Amino acid sequence: EDKVVQSPLSLVVHEGDTVTLNCSYEVTNFRSLLWYKQEKKAPTFLFMLTSSGIEKKSGRLSSILDKKELFSILNITATQTGDSAVYLCVRMKTSYDKVIFGPGTSLSVIP
Amino acid sequence: NAGVTQTPKFQVLKTGQSMTLQCAQDMNHNSMYWYRQDPGMGLRLIYYSASEGTTDKGEVPNGYNVSRLNKREFSLRLESAAPSQTSVYFCASSPSQGAGSNSPLHFGNGTRLTVT
Repeated sequence: EDKVVQSPLSLVVHEGDTVTLNCSYEVTNFRSLLWYKQEKKAPTFLFMLTSSGIEKKSGRLSSILDKKELFSILNITATQTGDSAVYLCVRMKTSYDKVIFGPGTSLSVIP
Repeated sequence: NAGVTQTPKFQVLKTGQSMTLQCAQDMNHNSMYWYRQDPGMGLRLIYYSASEGTTDKGEVPNGYNVSRLNKREFSLRLESAAPSQTSVYFCASSPSQGAGSNSPLHFGNGTRLTVT
């Protein structure tokens, strides 16, 4: 079955910690992999990854894709309470009717 | 800068009642989507509209209908609500759809629907 697996499903860390969120997928017609952050409302876009081995970075967040091993990681350094959210990994195939969402990783950052 | 706007934000229905969820985007996007989000299951596509005048079924279309009223608006209708339709519903849009597109989805803030 075509699916996206995220791990861990939930995580609690202290402010200042570094976290790594994992996403693995099964490939057919892979086009790109996206990361979203979802707080209480709409998911907001973080990264789109299409090429293997090229790190994308935005502030304390970074992400990389390994097409050979079929996984991606999202790193957050020096975590803050504002990083508390559900992080969604999304695999896109050739069209949006083939977008597969992972179940999300719920991150809680405590002071 | 409104982006994608959904109404209502919350709704409680009794089994068998009908309702329409409204969605509008002001980004001149061609493609629009309706997802439902349930605990532990991620977002699942209900229906999508690749462009004005077209709609197609997604992964979980049963019990729903949609209307792409114009380029801006895409509504989702529950004709006879069931408790299994209790969920959070998200509308999304993107500039285009298909093999040539690499644009991320833009989401509305969601509608929390409870069917009793």
